[in-house]
Amino acid sequence: EAQVTQNPRYLITVTGKKLTVTCSQNMNHEYMSWYRQDPGLGLRQIYYSMNVEVTDKGDVPEGYKVSRKEKRNFPLILESPSPNQTSLYFCASSPWTGGAGNTFGSGTRLTVV
Amino acid sequence: SQKIEQNSEALNIQEGKTATLTCNYTNYSPAYLQWYRQDPGRGPVFLLLIRENEKEKRKERLKVTFDTTLKQSLFHITASQPADSATYLCALRAGNMLTFGGGTRLMVKP
Repeated sequence: EAQVTQNPRYLITVTGKKLTVTCSQNMNHEYMSWYRQDPGLGLRQIYYSMNVEVTDKGDVPEGYKVSRKEKRNFPLILESPSPNQTSLYFCASSPWTGGAGNTFGSGTRLTVV
Repeated sequence: SQKIEQNSEALNIQEGKTATLTCNYTNYSPAYLQWYRQDPGRGPVFLLLIRENEKEKRKERLKVTFDTTLKQSLFHITASQPADSATYLCALRAGNMLTFGGGTRLMVKP
């Protein structure tokens, strides 16, 4: 089944404790991206990647890191999480050539206390 | 600044009617526009994509129009059903980024 898999689904952590949210896709898509969704602010793009070793900032990159060492994986790293990073996070992938929409993961609900 | 606007108020319609949702944008020259459906607590699901040189796209009960002069897209669901109740998001691809509107919640009443 074609899908984007995010883990974990839920995560509660403390301020300053480094964490990684994993994202993997099995569709051989070039383009992968991370979003956060907050009430009243909608979905905002954090980082995106157009292919292996090619990443770039989205609208809200501060406090986040990403890497794309393999085509299928695009982890989101919070080096020192803060409470304002409490949010619902989504990973998505799509073919780079366009003409197709994004496939989203099921989301990761992160709480930083 | 760039902006994508969708009606933040919920749209309530009766089953069987046509729902029409609006997406307006400013300061973009999008290569294409996408529509997604999102249910509470779940990831968005892709519905339709329309390119800048296309005026209209259809898929089953769904229809999207794209007017680059008005900078507006309309999303129609004909013969709406209670199962169509969800939040609908439009998204613009400009350059390498994909930017989403805030979404419109649709409620279809039996």
